[in-house]
Order: sequence, then C-alpha cells, then structure tokens
Amino acid sequence: AQTVTQSQPEMSVQEAETVTLSCTYDTSESNYYLFWYKQPPSRQMILVIRQEAYKQQNATENRFSVNFQKAAKSFSLKISDSQLGDTAMYFCAFSNSNSGYALNFGKGTSLLVTP
Amino acid sequence: DAGVIQSPRHEVTEMGQEVTLRCKPISGHDYLFWYRQTMMRGLELLIYFNNNVPIDDSGMPEDRFSAKMPNASFSTLKIQPSEPRDSAVYFCASSPGTGGPLGNTIYFGEGSWLTVV
Repeated sequence: AQTVTQSQPEMSVQEAETVTLSCTYDTSESNYYLFWYKQPPSRQMILVIRQEAYKQQNATENRFSVNFQKAAKSFSLKISDSQLGDTAMYFCAFSNSNSGYALNFGKGTSLLVTP
Repeated sequence: DAGVIQSPRHEVTEMGQEVTLRCKPISGHDYLFWYRQTMMRGLELLIYFNNNVPIDDSGMPEDRFSAKMPNASFSTLKIQPSEPRDSAVYFCASSPGTGGPLGNTIYFGEGSWLTVV
C-alpha cells in the first residue's frame, strides 16, 4: 500500500514570506499523480496543485510551486509571498491506477500565516 | 460549472437513527468517491464508483454503512443505525478519470457534517 507522510504537523510563517511544506511518499509504481489540497476552516477541500510523475518539470500555480524529486519520493510545496488567506490545513495526496486514482492522503500540515 | 453538490450540509441525529447523505457529482465525471474525515483517522476513502458501479468498498467500516449510485448524477451514503462514533465530515468527490490536462484530478463537495448524539 502506498503511504504518504507529512512530517510537519504545524508550521507558521509571516505574511509575505516564503514557506515550504514537506511530503514524502512510498510506492513501487512508476506512473502516478501527486496533489496538494488546501482545507481552510470551512473544511472545503480545495485543489492547490497537481503533478504527474512522468513529467520532470515541477508544477507551478501562481504563488504555489512544488519541488518534485521522484528518486527521493519527495513532493514539497512552496508558498511564496504568503497571505493571511493561506492559513489552512494542507494535505499531500497520492493516486495511481491501482486504486482507481482514489486519493491516499497524508495527515496534513496546519499552516498559520501571521501578520 | 456547478461543482460537486452534497446535502445535507449539517445533520444532527440521535443514536440509532438512519442517516442518508446525498451527492450530485460534476456532470460528465465517471468516478465518484466517498471520504470520511475525523480527527483521529484523518481522511479515509470509504468507497468509490466507476460508471455507477461500486469498485472498491473495502473502506466501508461496517455493515451499517451502505452506498448506492443509481445513475450518473446521484449517489447516497446511508448509515443505519447511526452511532456517536460515526460523527465526522463526509465528503463526496468526483473525477473525470484519465485523459485531458486535469485527468485523474478529484474535485470535492463542501462536505456533510454529521453529529450523532
């Protein structure tokens, strides 16, 4: 079974600064997808960014970017120019064809952005 | 486009009562997922459907839980009888499956907050 590990239960960053959230995963598959989801206090699950394993180029979405290291099975999320609205739980997730591309989530990192 | 729609958003029920959660996936999506979120266990996959057919229900905790998808635009998750430990946020999600620039991306509804007292 694939496992996803987020080793930072809580993090804090000042507004306008940059923060990196860590994620590692374990799989024997070569083709898979990785995601970061954001969950604000409203509890809605919001897709932040998506990475296909066969693509070497790191995905970016505005202020959000990833550092995908396939050999190391690492998938970190970098948030640049942090904003107060970035305060949320962030979940790293893995999917592949073995499970119908259902998401396997890490336990999450709680990010607090302070003024 | 409308996202995944879940109802009810909040429900408080007494132990032993039947609870039915409803979901309308995004039109054209072939996959539908039910997840449960608790503090203790995090986000757990309960069951998923492909083209209305249940594919994997190994995450369904007990026989008290059942899920159906009678057509491509509707699914239910039923708990009968409900117990306090079923209190959680239940998410329905859908995915277009493979292909396209956002293939295999899963989109979530806003969740159904269930409290069993």
